[in-house]
Amino acid sequence: QKEVEQNSGPLSVPEGAIASLNCTYSDRGSQSFFWYRQYSGKSPELIMSIYSNGDKEDGRFTAQLNKASQYVSLLIRDSQPSDSATYLCAVNRAGGTSYGKLTFGQGTILTVHP
Amino acid sequence: DGGITQSPKYLFRKEGQNVTLSCEQNLNHDAMYWYRQDPGQGLRLIYYSQIVNDFQKGDIAEGYSVSREKKESFPLTVTSAQKNPTAFYLCASSATGTQTGDTQYFGPGTRLTVL
Repeated sequence: QKEVEQNSGPLSVPEGAIASLNCTYSDRGSQSFFWYRQYSGKSPELIMSIYSNGDKEDGRFTAQLNKASQYVSLLIRDSQPSDSATYLCAVNRAGGTSYGKLTFGQGTILTVHP
Repeated sequence: DGGITQSPKYLFRKEGQNVTLSCEQNLNHDAMYWYRQDPGQGLRLIYYSQIVNDFQKGDIAEGYSVSREKKESFPLTVTSAQKNPTAFYLCASSATGTQTGDTQYFGPGTRLTVL
């Protein structure tokens, strides 16, 4: 089982729709969760961080965390063609000497078509 | 203008050569990281440093070396022992080891190609 696993893509949605990206993780002690967006040939840029169970909203983006199910998701409302990118889920491992080490999923490619 | 810079943007290496990738940050972050990304894959941790003059191996440290002599700088050397170095190399930094300071921000990356 991979430590961090994202739903396989690519994911294609029409402009204006909701895009749903999912991520599961294996380390039950993980405490910090991140979504990054990566355009082709560029470096990842942070979209959202989430630390507590529940929803966290920032503009068109909503991150959802369920630690009991070891599941984190990202919803993009009113998807735009400019949202087309690879989305990376990252999980901070539990504490001690592992603190600060992020484990990344393989990424989900999102395409928003006009 | 705060941020993370990496140089060069593109680097070509001949077989048997060592090359050094530069990473500098002016965010006053304590922790710095090096990742490697291969096509269609996520990021894999090479080395990380939480404080000056100290660093730890990540998941794929073989064939790489680092130093952390200054808070702002964390250069990565790809040695000839790294048999498959062609990849996109990303440097990142985070503020502190506390939970809210653990968000990592990335530099623009260096694309290394072995000729």
